[in-house]
Parts: sequence; structure tokens; C-alpha cells
Amino acid sequence: GQQVMQIPQYQHVQEGEDFTTYCNSSTTLSNIQWYKQRPGGHPVFLIQLVKSGEVKKQKRLTFQFGEAKKNSSLHITATQTTDVGTYFCAGRAGGTSYGKLTFGQGTILTVHP
Amino acid sequence: EAQVTQNPRYLITVTGKKLTVTCSQNMNHEYMSWYRQDPGLGLRQIYYSMNVEVTDKGDVPEGYKVSRKEKRNFPLILESPSPNQTSLYFCASSFGVGYEQYFGPGTRLTVT
Repeated sequence: GQQVMQIPQYQHVQEGEDFTTYCNSSTTLSNIQWYKQRPGGHPVFLIQLVKSGEVKKQKRLTFQFGEAKKNSSLHITATQTTDVGTYFCAGRAGGTSYGKLTFGQGTILTVHP
Repeated sequence: EAQVTQNPRYLITVTGKKLTVTCSQNMNHEYMSWYRQDPGLGLRQIYYSMNVEVTDKGDVPEGYKVSRKEKRNFPLILESPSPNQTSLYFCASSFGVGYEQYFGPGTRLTVT
């Protein structure tokens, strides 16, 4: 079945440093979503990417979808302590499995002030 | 307030005792889904429903049942819970497939 691998599993940064998490799928995706989960909280939707090579920005966050629609990345510029949490990608294949959503393992981000 | 609610939030039970975790959304969403979250494994989809009376298996459906008799409710049933089903469970809903999902607060289940 479809697998979505996310790296790194953990990332510790000093406040102000940049952070990137990567997502790779074993199959071509129809779209990919990103979620953030604060410690003790529930996942919260950040963005969805649909088109090959798509790049979207939300303030200090930049999301990319690969040309082959099999990988994606989230980059945070100049991290802040409010960025602490776990970031998940979630990929959706097409066809008869369109309703299924496969999450990566998540990257736990710690920001030291 | 638009929200997804889950009950109970915490549950400790024993092996083999049937239980149901309820999930309800007030946003008239068509798509609903159940996930379990375990350390190092991320979120894994158990079952999803694209509309009333339409349910399908996710990646880890074994040991679970669901039903979707009404649009707003999507209960998760564990007929005979086992210790390997100890986990944090999230229900989520969205307007449709491919839209952003709204997650409930989670249910922490311990099976002894």
C-alpha cells in the first residue's frame, strides 16, 4: 500500500534558525496536506497542495509540492517559540483510494529561546 | 461554534469489553474519518466515510467497526478491545474528500 515517509523525526533549533521537514511518498499523490499539532493538542490544517511543482507561502512558512507529485517540503524561516509542535504531511492517492489519507510519521520541532 | 466532539475523552477499560467512542460534527460535513496516533508512527487512518451509509477501510481497520447512519455522527466501535489498541484516537471531518479536515480533541484509550 501507499507509504509516506517524513524526515527528520526530530529537529531542535535555536530561535531564529530555519527549519525544514521533508515528505516522500511511495506513489504519486493527487494532493498533499500539511497539519500542525501543538503538544497536547489536535492536528490543525495548514495547507493543501494540488499541482505539480506548486509553491505556497504563509508568512514565514513555505510549502512545496514536487514536480513528480511524490514529495513535498515545509520550510519555516526564522523560527519562533510559537512554532513548537509536530508537523505532519498527509498524502492522498487518486483512483478508488481517493478517500484514503496517509500521514507521515511527523517531525517534532523544538525551538530553544 | 463549528466543532468536532468526541466522547469520552479518556477511557480505561479491560480486554474484551466492548466499547464505543462517539464522534459528532455540527458543520454538515460529508467526509468523516477516524485515526489512531501512536508515538513514532504518526496518524494512521482506521476508517473513513464519504457520506451517509458509505464507509471504507483505512490503513489499520482490523479490530474496529464504524457506522454512518446520520451525517453528523460517526461512532468507532471496538467489539473486543485488546491492549494493542491502547492509543490516542482522533475523529476528523471535512466538507468533502480533498478539503481541510477538522479534528476533534482526541480520546485517550487504555486497554489493560
